[in-house]
Amino acid sequence: DVKVTQSSRYLVKRTGEKVFLECVQDMDHENMFWYRQDPGLGLRLIYFSYDVKMKEKGDIPEGYSVSREKKERFSLILESASTNQTSMYLCASRIAGTGKQYFGPGTRLTVL
Amino acid sequence: KNEVEQSPQNLTAQEGEFITINCSYSVGISALHWLQQHPGGGIVSLFMLSSGKKKHGRLIATINIQEKHSSLHITASHPRDSAVYICAVRLLMGNQFYFGTGTSLTVIP
Repeated sequence: DVKVTQSSRYLVKRTGEKVFLECVQDMDHENMFWYRQDPGLGLRLIYFSYDVKMKEKGDIPEGYSVSREKKERFSLILESASTNQTSMYLCASRIAGTGKQYFGPGTRLTVL
Repeated sequence: KNEVEQSPQNLTAQEGEFITINCSYSVGISALHWLQQHPGGGIVSLFMLSSGKKKHGRLIATINIQEKHSSLHITASHPRDSAVYICAVRLLMGNQFYFGTGTSLTVIP
């Protein structure tokens, strides 16, 4: 079974802090994704990565950056957290060229 | 305007009822996915469809490409089916997915 893990299930940070969200997958998938999920808005793509060191902006990249130094790990960085970044963050991975995404359990981030 | 629209937003059913959740989309797609999200956040992929119909246990998913519409049916619903069901479409070109806002299903014993 594919396993996608995220570093924290719940996280509370203060405005202005730098926040790292880590995602690790154990199935050698090329593609990895970061989404945020907000009530009434569904999942929205922040960034995705085709492969190591390759990244592309999604629909809402402002305020975020990403890092993919190793194939199994995709990090989402909030350089200076703001209250409007309070959300559920979901990571997913996929074999390149296939449709099915495998999701992590999510990180619920609260920025105070 | 959302590229993917789901209905209803919320659904409450009695155990045993037949349930239908609808998804309409407005873009060209290569595939449509139905996802299930339980309380606590974990998302599981139920189906990936590019045409016709798929069945898995009590779940049935259909898609009509010409009408840009898909339905997810649950037969003999059970309280453990209570979850949010999300429709997602993969665009014809590229790696992008668009997601519906989800249908929150509660099945009462």
